[in-house]
Amino acid sequence: DTEVTQTPKHLVMGMTNKKSLKCEQHMGHRAMYWYKQKAKKPPELMFVYSYEKLSINESVPSRFSPECPNSSLLNLHLHALQPEDSALYLCASSPTMARRDTEAFFGQGTRLTVV
Amino acid sequence: GIQVEQSPPDLILQEGANSTLRCNFSDSVNNLQWFHQNPWGQLINLFYIPSGTKQNGRLSATTVATERYSLLYISSSQTTDSGVYFCAVVIRGTSGSRLTFGEGTQLTVNP
Repeated sequence: DTEVTQTPKHLVMGMTNKKSLKCEQHMGHRAMYWYKQKAKKPPELMFVYSYEKLSINESVPSRFSPECPNSSLLNLHLHALQPEDSALYLCASSPTMARRDTEAFFGQGTRLTVV
Repeated sequence: GIQVEQSPPDLILQEGANSTLRCNFSDSVNNLQWFHQNPWGQLINLFYIPSGTKQNGRLSATTVATERYSLLYISSSQTTDSGVYFCAVVIRGTSGSRLTFGEGTQLTVNP
């Protein structure tokens, strides 16, 4: 099973709302990632968790708050977003972040629209 | 940071044609993956290929790490092959590994 599951698939939220994106994997992977993808552009890294600890934060605004409650789950909490934050948010996992153990598997994404 | 360049940016084929997509990278990488992004946004793993050659059905890939490039071959293309093909490389920094994507090749296969 090489499945990464993201919910919801689509989300429309207002600029004053608080919402969360969820990601789950049962492959025993210990590295999990959030990526943001705008239309006609490649995915851009936002956060990396390794062994449930935040390892990389690519200078993401604080209105995006990641959380890794356990080794299978990854959340992205959203608050006071702007319309320009509308994008496809992709979750990924890999066995570890070690040198040769980094094959990543992606979820189907959450298409977020901020109104 | 590392530069990942893909060519061509756009490719239009007739069904049944063959094609080669290229990925150049500017620095040594730990690993390289090829993905196909379908129209619904799903990134599908095609190959995990830090070096050498792999084949999977009509698709094959070759990475020459010493010369910093990878090639993806699609033979006998089908309309379902349409979508964006991304090359992504893994580089290891002080805080961990990153998967960095090229700009992609938009492939359209016409019936």
